[in-house]
Amino acid sequence: SAVISQKPSRDICQRGTSLTIQCQVDSQVTMMFWYRQQPGQSLTLIATANQGSEATYESGFVIDKFPISRPNLTFSTLTVSNMSPEDSSIYLCSVEVLEQGSHEQYFGPGTRLTVT
Amino acid sequence: RKEVEQDPGPFNVPEGATVAFNCTYSNSASQSFFWYRQDCRKEPKLLMSVYSSGNEDGRFTAQLNRASQYISLLIRDSKLSDSATYLCVVNVDSGGYQKVTFGIGTKLQVIP
Repeated sequence: SAVISQKPSRDICQRGTSLTIQCQVDSQVTMMFWYRQQPGQSLTLIATANQGSEATYESGFVIDKFPISRPNLTFSTLTVSNMSPEDSSIYLCSVEVLEQGSHEQYFGPGTRLTVT
Repeated sequence: RKEVEQDPGPFNVPEGATVAFNCTYSNSASQSFFWYRQDCRKEPKLLMSVYSSGNEDGRFTAQLNRASQYISLLIRDSKLSDSATYLCVVNVDSGGYQKVTFGIGTKLQVIP
């Protein structure tokens, strides 16, 4: 398993500003991901954070809006840029761990973002 | 059609009851399957992997039906603490990495 922490746990931001969310893992992991979960919705993958190269974004998400850093195997950041109220959501960092041949995901506690 | 479909519920069941959830997936190439549990305002946590032969962990039994492309979760002797949203997760090997798709989740409320 893996223990993941995220900062901040919550924030209220004004539209047009940017927020950077940090994710720290207690062990080195290859695969780190950023998800968004809007109220009443399932988790939506934003991107895969790749160490040493640009993140891989899912359809509907772009680097200019959600720049991601992955400087090493235990840390990543996600920035939500030029925020609008539609960006209000929970943002979750996760890692993939191979356990007994199964690719299991572990999640951070999430960052609850409200944009006013 | 959604890649992973679940009945969002809520399922309201009395304590001690047995309850079952199904989840269907559209991609026949899906390779691994999981059930996650998400408590209100918390992150999802892995409940159990789902193996082809089916697997049991205490009061929880998970089964996979590849032919019909669904997985199920059975909870016996429901406890109040089982109240949560249960997320179905399906992985597909996509170009060397695992593409993970979450269902919307099924909400369970166990009533005293």
